Amino acid sequence: QQKVQQSPESLSVPEGGMASLNCTSSDRNFQYFWWYRQHSGEGPKALMSIFSDGDKKEGRFTAHLNKASLHVSLHIRDSQPSDSALYFCAASEVAGTGSNRLTFGKGTKFSLIP
Amino acid sequence: EAAVTQSPRNKVAVTGGKVTLSCNQTNNHNNMYWYRQDTGHGLRLIHYSYGAGSTEKGDIPDGYKASRPSQENFSLILELATPSQTSVYFCASGAAGTGGGNYAEQFFGPGTRLTVL
Repeated sequence: QQKVQQSPESLSVPEGGMASLNCTSSDRNFQYFWWYRQHSGEGPKALMSIFSDGDKKEGRFTAHLNKASLHVSLHIRDSQPSDSALYFCAASEVAGTGSNRLTFGKGTKFSLIP
Repeated sequence: EAAVTQSPRNKVAVTGGKVTLSCNQTNNHNNMYWYRQDTGHGLRLIHYSYGAGSTEKGDIPDGYKASRPSQENFSLILELATPSQTSVYFCASGAAGTGGGNYAEQFFGPGTRLTVL
């Protein structure tokens, strides 16, 4: 079973619109969550992290974490062409071995409707 | 500028041949990772390393070896390449330290596209 599950697989919104991406973990050891963004032809890059219950806002991006349900979401407002990318949710363990391994979901492909 | 670089960027290999993918980082990070990315699977961890001389198995290590000769360099080796290993491979670096959190941020290279015929 995939330990980090993302939905939807793909998402399209008009420019200036709002989008919501979802992620759920099935492993209670995963308590730290990251959103990574990958533009076509590039490597993934960390967008933001969230470790505590509630919301975290960075510019047009807001992440929300519910630790009880291990559900994290990413909300994008005022979508711009540069937001078109593959978005990954990733999780790391609370007390790791120092490897700081990340477990990634399969990704959500986000694009703007022209 | 601190960065993670990979070479080659593109590689075509024959089945049964040996392939070496190289990664160099100037972030001065202790930890380094190799992933493969396939449509429908996301990023999957192949091997990782805590520092020079160390290599550890990730989630899908079969058919791959890794080598970490120095802090800066981490190689992925396919001794007998197979068509199922056709993929895009990413190397990443990250800080050491326990407790997850901010230490878990990883910095990725641009990727190597490998085709095994």
